[in-house]
Amino acid sequence: EAQVTQNPRYLITVTGKKLTVTCSQNMNHEYMSWYRQDPGLGLRQIYYSMNVEVTDKGDVPEGYKVSRKEKRNFPLILESPSPNQTSLYFCATSGGVGYTFGSGTRLTVV
Amino acid sequence: GQQLNQSPQSMFIQEGEDVSMNCTSSSIFNTWLWYKQEPGEGPVLLIALYKAGELTSNGRLTAQFGITRKDSFLNISASIPSDVGIYFCAGIIISSGSARQLTFGSGTQLTVLP
Repeated sequence: EAQVTQNPRYLITVTGKKLTVTCSQNMNHEYMSWYRQDPGLGLRQIYYSMNVEVTDKGDVPEGYKVSRKEKRNFPLILESPSPNQTSLYFCATSGGVGYTFGSGTRLTVV
Repeated sequence: GQQLNQSPQSMFIQEGEDVSMNCTSSSIFNTWLWYKQEPGEGPVLLIALYKAGELTSNGRLTAQFGITRKDSFLNISASIPSDVGIYFCAGIIISSGSARQLTFGSGTQLTVLP
């Protein structure tokens, strides 16, 4: 079954404590992306990756890092989380036009 | 980045009624997509539109790619309780540099009353 797996599903952390949200896909897709979803703002792209070792900024990259060392994984890294990064995060992958999304990670930074 | 204006922001309708929502932009898109998001889940693709003027159906859902390539609408006929969720439009601009960049509207929250 085609899957995009994010972990964790829920995370509460404190300001400044580094964290990583993992994303893994089993569809051998080259394209992967991270979005954050906030009320009234829809989904905004944070970073995307066209292939292994190829990443680029989306619309809201500040405060985030990513890496793409292998095709299946695309972790999202928050080096020093702040409360304004409290949000619902989605990883997505694409092998054509449509995107397949993970189930989301709800992050709260206190 | 590009912006999509999606309306309405929310809708409360009676079961059995038809629903219409739309997205507009000042930018031209190559592809329009419509997604549905249910609570606790990621968005799921409903319909994809690839050509200006294209009208596509998926069961009770019908969507159209506007002639100007700057807008799209989604209609849901004879709504049922499981239609509840957030509906997002999304547009893709395919360029040589950034390839498949997907821009989302802000969503339409649909509530279906029994």
